Amino acid sequence: QSVLTQPPSVSAAPGQKVTISCSGSSSNIEKTYVSWYQQLPGTAPKLLIYDNNQRPSGIPDRFSGSKSGTSATLGITGLQTGDEADYYCAAWDSSLSAYVFGTGTKVTVL
Amino acid sequence: QVQLQESGPGLVKPSQTLSLTCIVSGGSISSGSFYWSWIRQPAGKGLEWIGRIYTSGSTNYNPSLKSRVTISVDTSKNQFSLKLTYVTAADTAVYYCAREISSSWLVWGQGTLVTVSS
Repeated sequence: QSVLTQPPSVSAAPGQKVTISCSGSSSNIEKTYVSWYQQLPGTAPKLLIYDNNQRPSGIPDRFSGSKSGTSATLGITGLQTGDEADYYCAAWDSSLSAYVFGTGTKVTVL
Repeated sequence: QVQLQESGPGLVKPSQTLSLTCIVSGGSISSGSFYWSWIRQPAGKGLEWIGRIYTSGSTNYNPSLKSRVTISVDTSKNQFSLKLTYVTAADTAVYYCAREISSSWLVWGQGTLVTVSS
């Protein structure tokens, strides 16, 4: 029941940059805040970005978020092997009155 | 520092009720303006929001699960709970509890695997 669409995978070499898109609609991303999560294998998701572009304490500034219209983007610069994980976006959907997650993107460091 | 820990049976029979509890430690479940959420993830699949409860008792549920879900809070025990009725194999997943603030979840439990099987 994923309402937000992400690319299944992205990859880049160490030190490079990747961006992950999250495409939604006027009932979710356009109207509300987007958050982003990193999930390493076998662990709970970890909050990377909240309120579209804010980083919680302890999250390095290599991670950035932005939003425009019905889409949001997560950027990761200076890619490290430890960044290999699944990444998810999330937003409140006013039509569903529920939170919706993105389909998830696997980041591979080449 | 608030920590969350899920507890409950790891195996539930089809058509029965899945019951999980999230124990909150390191802080009071009643303090602050937080929602307390349940989120699940089938093996190899994405995250699905199940629902949330405010300490006042007000709730929001995923429409796709609403007819089967109840989330409650017990402030005296500093915990909140999930009940999912009439489970099927499709409800097999890792279930996470999480604390919501500013439309995001900063604090998560470690997750607990619930398998629906006879």
